[in-house]
Amino acid sequence: AQTVTQSQPEMSVQEAETVTLSCTYDTSESDYYLFWYKQPPSRQMILVIRQEAYKQQNATENRFSVNFQKAAKSFSLKISDSQLGDAAMYFCAYMAAGANNLFFGTGTRLTVIP
Amino acid sequence: DSGVTQTPKHLITATGQRVTLRCSPRSGDLSVYWYQQSLDQGLQFLIQYYNGEERAKGNILERFSAQQFPDLHSELNLSSLELGDSALYFCASSVVSGLAGVRHTDTQYFGPGTRLTVL
Repeated sequence: AQTVTQSQPEMSVQEAETVTLSCTYDTSESDYYLFWYKQPPSRQMILVIRQEAYKQQNATENRFSVNFQKAAKSFSLKISDSQLGDAAMYFCAYMAAGANNLFFGTGTRLTVIP
Repeated sequence: DSGVTQTPKHLITATGQRVTLRCSPRSGDLSVYWYQQSLDQGLQFLIQYYNGEERAKGNILERFSAQQFPDLHSELNLSSLELGDSALYFCASSVVSGLAGVRHTDTQYFGPGTRLTVL
């Protein structure tokens, strides 16, 4: 069964600094997708970034980038130039290619210190 | 704004009651997914519909059911409610995924959720 592990329940970062959130996953599939979703206090689930396992290049979206290590089954999220609006719960999620549902980690609560 | 709408935003009801949660997917999306987010279980997949047909089931209780209508909106029905059913219920939509022989996976976009409180 697929499992997603986020070992950091809470993280904090100074405004304008860089922070990295960790995620590991377990799967026997070779073709899959990984996602980071952000859940601010409003509770809305917002897609931050997506990575296809067949792509060697790490995905980037403005200040957000990932470090995808397929052999290690690791998928970390780097937030550069942290802003107060980045404060939220961050969930790592996995989906096998052609599957129907996302498997989520337990989340990391990020606090941004002014 | 993801383009996925959910109503109501909040729902407070009593044990033993039945409620209906509604979801409208993004324009053009054919798949609708329901997830439950609770303190003890985290985020769990409940069920998926694709173009009106049930496509996949996750950890959905027998007291819960869902359907997708011809206009593609979906409803999640929760009956014989228990205290433990209190949670945030999300609907998500995507263009298409989970079809046999289709390896591409579309990103799921989430609605704002319905917070259900069972007293």
